[in-house]
Amino acid sequence: EPEVTQTPSHQVTQMGQEVILRCVPISNHLYFYWYRQILGQKVEFLVSFYNNEISEKSEIFDDQFSVERPDGSNFTLKIRSTKLEDSAMYFCASRPGQGGQETQYFGPGTRLLVL
Amino acid sequence: AQRVTQPEKLLSVFKGAPVELKCNYSYSGSPELFWYVQYSRQRLQLLLRHISRESIKGFTADLNKGETSFHLKKPFAQEEDSAMYYCALAGGYNKLIFGAGTRLAVHP
Repeated sequence: EPEVTQTPSHQVTQMGQEVILRCVPISNHLYFYWYRQILGQKVEFLVSFYNNEISEKSEIFDDQFSVERPDGSNFTLKIRSTKLEDSAMYFCASRPGQGGQETQYFGPGTRLLVL
Repeated sequence: AQRVTQPEKLLSVFKGAPVELKCNYSYSGSPELFWYVQYSRQRLQLLLRHISRESIKGFTADLNKGETSFHLKKPFAQEEDSAMYYCALAGGYNKLIFGAGTRLAVHP
């Protein structure tokens, strides 16, 4: 069964550094999402992406964040200048886009630690 | 405001006992609700969605619009049900709004 994959599984970075988190959604899916979960808190929506553009973003998704689908398979989340509070688990998700109440399929997550 | 509330952080039961994980929501339109489960060291995976009205692994959930609830139930808990359970509401562009999650611990 196809799965969403994410790399790396863990990343440690220094405050102020740029990080790129990578996701490979399920191949025939059209809608892509990033969520994050700070330790001990709920899973929070960051951004949704469709047809090569952002369709919705949350208040968390400020100018330090960007997303890109550089080729037909990868979907990336970039944080330009990381802050301590960006430490979290980041989940990518995708869904087919056929309409109706569709399941979102989640990747295993990338645990980001900003020191 | 769109919101999902799961009032219990931890639910601890013995094997064979009934389980009810509570979920309440706030949404102005017609809600689309899901239960996701996360077993230890695994990814979030869909357990149930309200529109399908099916039973998965013995779990069921009924949408009660009057009480704005979507509680997850199972008549007889099994040890392998131990996991984190998240209730989620589909908002605009089908983004998911999650509750804080309930950890279910089933003891032998």
